[in-house]
Amino acid sequence: DQQVKQNSPSLSVQEGRISILNCDYTNSMFDYFLWYKKYPAEGPTFLISISSIKDKNEDGRFTVFLNKSAKHLSLHIVPSQPGDSAVYFCAASASGGSNYKLTFGKGTLLTVNP
Amino acid sequence: ETGVTQSPTHLIKTRGQQVTLRCSSQSGHNTVSWYQQALGQGPQFIFQYYREEENGRGNFPPRFSGLQFPNYSSELNVNALELDDSALYLCASSLGGRSNQPQHFGDGTRLSIL
Repeated sequence: DQQVKQNSPSLSVQEGRISILNCDYTNSMFDYFLWYKKYPAEGPTFLISISSIKDKNEDGRFTVFLNKSAKHLSLHIVPSQPGDSAVYFCAASASGGSNYKLTFGKGTLLTVNP
Repeated sequence: ETGVTQSPTHLIKTRGQQVTLRCSSQSGHNTVSWYQQALGQGPQFIFQYYREEENGRGNFPPRFSGLQFPNYSSELNVNALELDDSALYLCASSLGGRSNQPQHFGDGTRLSIL
């Protein structure tokens, strides 16, 4: 069963516009959420995270929104740049367990067109 | 600050063989997690090591085993390799085995089983 779902395999936007990547989760024990960016032949790079006690976290061009009642989070990139073209993974963890393993979605390929 | 490094970058093995993958954690990090990423999927948690002890395990058989050393580097060993073990193996390090901290990934080892 897929506890973290990214239902859009791909997204294409124009340079300068907003990119919105979505993620849904089913496990109500998840309380920490992260976004990673992955270029080909490289490992995932941490972008931004949010704890379940917040509903928004911002870091430069990147903002993550969390809607706990809907079990939904989104990553907004404004303005989008061609260098943002990559696969974006949503991940979640639960602090109630013995470890902080990350559960990942399948990723969304973002293409930013010049 | 040195990031997470993994070796080798690529490896080709045949069914039934054994393999050892290595990971050096980011300086200051005492926790190492290993993930398997199959093509088109998100990374799947294999296990985590914290202060040289296994601190949780995902849904992987016992032929997947690991070690963490006093300098916090780590090894992933896989015995009796199967074709389905072909994947990208990612190592991630973080600070603290019981706190929500971002995990930082290496570039992975691409393992191909013939």
